[in-house]
Amino acid sequence: NAGVTQTPKFQVLKTGQSMTLQCAQDMNHNSMYWYRQDPGMGLRLIYYSASEGTTDKGEVPNGYNVSRLNKREFSLRLESAAPSQTSVYFCASSEGGGWDEQFFGPGTRLTVL
Amino acid sequence: AQKITQTQPGMFVQEKEAVTLDCTYDTSDPSYGLFWYKQPSSGEMIFLIYQGSYDQQNATEGRYSLNFQKARKSANLVISASQLGDSAMYFCAPGGGLTGGGNKLTFGTGTQLKVEL
Repeated sequence: NAGVTQTPKFQVLKTGQSMTLQCAQDMNHNSMYWYRQDPGMGLRLIYYSASEGTTDKGEVPNGYNVSRLNKREFSLRLESAAPSQTSVYFCASSEGGGWDEQFFGPGTRLTVL
Repeated sequence: AQKITQTQPGMFVQEKEAVTLDCTYDTSDPSYGLFWYKQPSSGEMIFLIYQGSYDQQNATEGRYSLNFQKARKSANLVISASQLGDSAMYFCAPGGGLTGGGNKLTFGTGTQLKVEL
């Protein structure tokens, strides 16, 4: 099992450019999440998908959109990147019960110039 | 918004000694879970241990245990017999259940632990 995979691992964008971060899990999990981690900070929830077909805003959703493409895949889109979106982005998944641990992908390091 | 406090930005411990990492939180949820994650310098997030708010006994997982004091809203992580590989950032993350499934974790700012010979 690969667990949670993310692509790309690194990306540099110019202000105003758009891109999509891809995430896939092979654990048959129902719930998926996108977080961002800024230097010296903990992770903050951007969006989540409690189950296939549903998505909801987290703590810091502005400037992002998400798509739960199917049970395996959950993508995060930046429509018009800004320097404030420079961060490390983590995707995670969990079985979907109340207190299941979340399994994290390796992260995508994004720099917006 | 939920507030998580990890008051120790940096900690040092001698190899083979025990260390306690502090975490307090502020939640109004009657039912919640408490998670601890480890982030080594390589960057990945590794799940360590979990405690449910209604669990009577403190959770243990190998060398990791939780000192959970519900009334004080405190969930300190205890690492026994520290190893060099324990050097990492440690995050406390209380979680509330989400309608439809899953749980919403709120992360503290972390404690950087350095294990010394």
